[in-house]
Amino acid sequence: GAVVSQHPSRVICKSGTSVKIECRSLDFQATTMFWYRQFPKKSLMLMATSNEGSKATYEQGVEKDKFLINHASLTLSTLTVTSAHPEDSSFYICSAREASGGVRGTDTQYFGPGTRLTVL
Amino acid sequence: AQSVTQLGSHVSVSEGALVLLRCNYSSSVPPYLFWYVQYPNQGLQLLLKYTSAATLVKGINGFEAEFKKSETSFHLTKPSAHMSDAAEYFCAVYPNTGNQFYFGTGTSLTVIP
Repeated sequence: GAVVSQHPSRVICKSGTSVKIECRSLDFQATTMFWYRQFPKKSLMLMATSNEGSKATYEQGVEKDKFLINHASLTLSTLTVTSAHPEDSSFYICSAREASGGVRGTDTQYFGPGTRLTVL
Repeated sequence: AQSVTQLGSHVSVSEGALVLLRCNYSSSVPPYLFWYVQYPNQGLQLLLKYTSAATLVKGINGFEAEFKKSETSFHLTKPSAHMSDAAEYFCAVYPNTGNQFYFGTGTSLTVIP
């Protein structure tokens, strides 16, 4: 099946630093990738949708200058949390949707394993 | 707007008992429907999905779900719970004209030995 990886799986950083999280589709090309945030014992909250080669679309209430998203290739999207603060500590999950016409169709997204961010 | 309701944030069953996790959606047009499982500190794993084919969908690990249009429901069941089924379960909808998932708030399943 389709595999999506995230790196790192865990990161601990000091307040004020920036952290970059990578999301890769390993065996398919993803024209669209999604970034979610999950608070403890809560559902996933869609933060933004990134399309390869264009600017990301952010959900209401998500600061685009704080959560920088880059989707430079069909297999890689990055989320950079700039000037991280303790309230940014969370579990970040990406998902990738295969390019239109792929054998798996466009109705399934494949999720990465998540990245646990802890800001001290 | 889409919404997904999972009744019961916590469900406890005895090992070997029936598992029933409820999911209702709001949509005038039946969307695609999914169930995901999440183990602690891990991402989401697809259990099964409904994409307008058979209304009874079988998934991995012995789980199945039935799409009922009249009830706008997609409840998840498993005849006999196993200890390894303890996890968080999320129901999600994907509008067939949309571009994103809408997740329920999740149901934490506890299996009692």
